[in-house]
Amino acid sequence: EAQVTQNPRYLITVTGKKLTVTCSQNMNHEYMSWYRQDPGLGLRQIYYSMNVEVTDKGDVPEGYKVSRKEKRNFPLILESPSPNQTSLYFCASSFAGGPRYTQYFGPGTRLTVL
Amino acid sequence: KQEVTQIPAALSVPEGENLVLNCSFTDSAIYNLQWFRQDPGKGLTSLLLIQSSQREQTSGRLNASLDKSSGRSTLYIAASQPGDSATYLCAVLHASGGSYIPTFGRGTSLIVHP
Repeated sequence: EAQVTQNPRYLITVTGKKLTVTCSQNMNHEYMSWYRQDPGLGLRQIYYSMNVEVTDKGDVPEGYKVSRKEKRNFPLILESPSPNQTSLYFCASSFAGGPRYTQYFGPGTRLTVL
Repeated sequence: KQEVTQIPAALSVPEGENLVLNCSFTDSAIYNLQWFRQDPGKGLTSLLLIQSSQREQTSGRLNASLDKSSGRSTLYIAASQPGDSATYLCAVLHASGGSYIPTFGRGTSLIVHP
């Protein structure tokens, strides 16, 4: 089954404790991206990757890091999480061209930073 | 900066009604517009993608139209069913050559009651 998976689905952590949210897709997509969704603000893109070893900032990259060492994986790293990073996070993928074509989203990761 | 507005924010209708969800955007220089459905715990699912050169797209009971000059799109749902209950999001991609960052609206929360 074609899908985008994220882990963990739920995470509660404390300020300053480094964490990684994993994202994996099995559709051989070149483009992958991370979004956060906050009440009243809608989805905002954090980072995106056009292909392996190619990443770029989205609208709200501060406090986040990403890497793309393999085509199927695109982890999101919070090196020193803060309470304002409490949010619902989505990973998405698509063929080359990203949002110029249909995007496929993961189920989301709900992160709470205390 | 592109702004995307969705009206209404919430809608409750009886089963069987035809309904229209609205999406407006401030900058008409768009590459495409996508409509998504968001179900709790399941991420986003792409419903329809309209390229800037197109006027409408149809899939089953769904029809999306695009009027680029007026900055508007509508999602028409025919003969609504309880299974249509979800949040519907529209996302606009700017037409500039290097743009891979879509702008999302805040969504319309739809409840279809039996």
